Amino acid sequence: EDQVTQSPEALRLQEGESSSLNCSYTVSGLRGLFWYRQDPGKGPEFLFTLYSAGEEKEKERLKATLTKKESFLHITAPKPEDSATYLCAVQGSYNTDKLIFGTGTRLQVFP
Amino acid sequence: DAGVIQSPRHEVTEMGQEVTLRCKPISGHDYLFWYRQTMMRGLELLIYFNNNVPIDDSGMPEDRFSAKMPNASFSTLKIQPSEPRDSAVYFCASSPRGSGVLGGTVAFFGQGTRLTVV
Repeated sequence: EDQVTQSPEALRLQEGESSSLNCSYTVSGLRGLFWYRQDPGKGPEFLFTLYSAGEEKEKERLKATLTKKESFLHITAPKPEDSATYLCAVQGSYNTDKLIFGTGTRLQVFP
Repeated sequence: DAGVIQSPRHEVTEMGQEVTLRCKPISGHDYLFWYRQTMMRGLELLIYFNNNVPIDDSGMPEDRFSAKMPNASFSTLKIQPSEPRDSAVYFCASSPRGSGVLGGTVAFFGQGTRLTVV
């Protein structure tokens, strides 16, 4: 069964303090790994898609990387506006289009 | 495009009442997903459709839950009768066809419906 585990559950950072969020996954045949950002009271907002081990994507202060077992979301010099819950999801197996989510990492960045 | 549109944004109902949540997907998208989000369990997939056909409803918790997609631009999720434990935020998402057999597809989410059953 496809499974996604995210850590830590919550992370508090000082503005400018870089860190990484982890997403470990178990799938049979990875079709895509997705990172989303969710602000309170809103739906998840798409950030990145990664398809194969070794792939990297960047957007402003965020950089996502992928290995065969996990993905990292690196946040460089975060700002308070980066505070949100970050969700990881996978699409796996050859016979399903399900998108399976982890429970997320709640990030708080303090000035 | 206005994105995925869900209604209502908030719903408060009494236990035992019927609740209907509505979703308009992004035009041209082939897939539609219904998710439920709670603090304890995160985002859970309830059911998804491909070209208006239900493909996998294994996440629907009980027979009290049902979903329909009568056409490409509209879907409903119905709970009858509702119970307090159904209280959650329900999200609808849509995605285009994947690029090839192994191509993953990005899902775009609506703003959600916050359901409270008292």
